[in-house]
Amino acid sequence: GQQVMQIPQYQHVQEGEDFTTYCNSSTTLSNIQWYKQRPGGHPVFLIQLVKSGEVKKQKRLTFQFGEAKKNSSLHITATQTTDVGTYFCADDFGNEKLTFGTGTRLTIIP
Amino acid sequence: DTGVSQDPRHKITKRGQNVTFRCDPISEHNRLYWYRQTLGQGPEFLTYFQNEAQLEKSRLLSNRFSAERPKGSFSTLEIQRTEQGDSAMYLCASSPRGTSGGKAHEQYFGPGTRLTVT
Repeated sequence: GQQVMQIPQYQHVQEGEDFTTYCNSSTTLSNIQWYKQRPGGHPVFLIQLVKSGEVKKQKRLTFQFGEAKKNSSLHITATQTTDVGTYFCADDFGNEKLTFGTGTRLTIIP
Repeated sequence: DTGVSQDPRHKITKRGQNVTFRCDPISEHNRLYWYRQTLGQGPEFLTYFQNEAQLEKSRLLSNRFSAERPKGSFSTLEIQRTEQGDSAMYLCASSPRGTSGGKAHEQYFGPGTRLTVT
């Protein structure tokens, strides 16, 4: 079946360092969405990418969609303690329901 | 609060009992989704509705699971004869409309119902 893999599974960074999580699929991605889930919370929508090579920015967050639409990445510049949580990518593979990745859990060392 | 709400937030039940969860989506959203999430994993799709019509069920959803959205507003998810493997967080999400050009829209999640089967 269609799967979305994320790496790394865990990432510990010093506050102020950068962080990147990668989302990969063997099947062409259709409509990548990124979500953030705080500890004990529920997923919250961050962004949606649909075009090959698309780059979107939200303050310190930069989202990219690969040229071949097989991967996507989320980069956070100068992490803050409020960035703690698990970041998920998800794709609909053109069938109107989301398949979520395995997530990258980010912890910040103050 | 106009977000997605779920009730109850926590449910502890004994194996073999039936449980029912409720989800109230954002009022103008016509798409409603149910997911299951276990520790350390991403949400796993279970089923979804367009208004009152159930459009798809995951193959992972056994016949012990049933979902309804009778008036196209709130939805219920029932699990019959619960098993310990059903222990998980059950998340509901709603979306403002159907697909646009074949693309799913962003989903708004509720706080979830955490089910523990003993």
